[in-house]
Amino acid sequence: ILNVEQSPQSLHVQEGDSTNFTCSFPSSNFYALHWYRWETAKSPEALFVMTLNGDEKKKGRISATLNTKEGYSYLYIKGSQPEDSATYLCAFIKGNAGNMLTFGGGTRLMVKP
Amino acid sequence: DTEVTQTPKHLVMGMTNKKSLKCEQHMGHRAMYWYKQKAKKPPELMFVYSYEKLSINESVPSRFSPECPNSSLLNLHLHALQPEDSALYLCASSQDIGRMDEQFFGPGTRLTVL
Repeated sequence: ILNVEQSPQSLHVQEGDSTNFTCSFPSSNFYALHWYRWETAKSPEALFVMTLNGDEKKKGRISATLNTKEGYSYLYIKGSQPEDSATYLCAFIKGNAGNMLTFGGGTRLMVKP
Repeated sequence: DTEVTQTPKHLVMGMTNKKSLKCEQHMGHRAMYWYKQKAKKPPELMFVYSYEKLSINESVPSRFSPECPNSSLLNLHLHALQPEDSALYLCASSQDIGRMDEQFFGPGTRLTVL
């Protein structure tokens, strides 16, 4: 059983705050890490796909970093807005497992106006 | 069209019923997936189809039977389910089954088994 953990489980911030959360995964046999954003009553939406140690990806105010040697990825949101409220899921792919995602439990972010 | 559609949105069924969930995409993706998500848990992979062939079955009980009639459609046939099978069933698709291929998800079917 793969251990993919996310922290914190939930987070309340004020509009304009910057925030970050963590995804931890097994450092051995790493293949790829995906980040998804899931708004309530909508479909999960891909944010980033990361494969190389030291990778940094950015999309608007959201960015992510990857450390495969120590087995973690950070997701950062700069200047949070109410529309950023969602559950952020990371998903790990091990070894040569094609595209088989093992999801973490998610971080639920709530941004208050 | 970058959408994955799933029908029905909600389904209530008895333990003796037979029903089917349907998933459709028109993005030309060659890989399609079924996931199960129980309340307050992450989605768990059930099946992967690649080029219309079942490539991965994650030890799912036979009361769940997937079918891929063509490259745009994925069905999940349900028979003799148990109450513990109540969950959100998500379908996804991706260009191929490479590690860089992001998955596009549908909104899910909320299944309740009585």
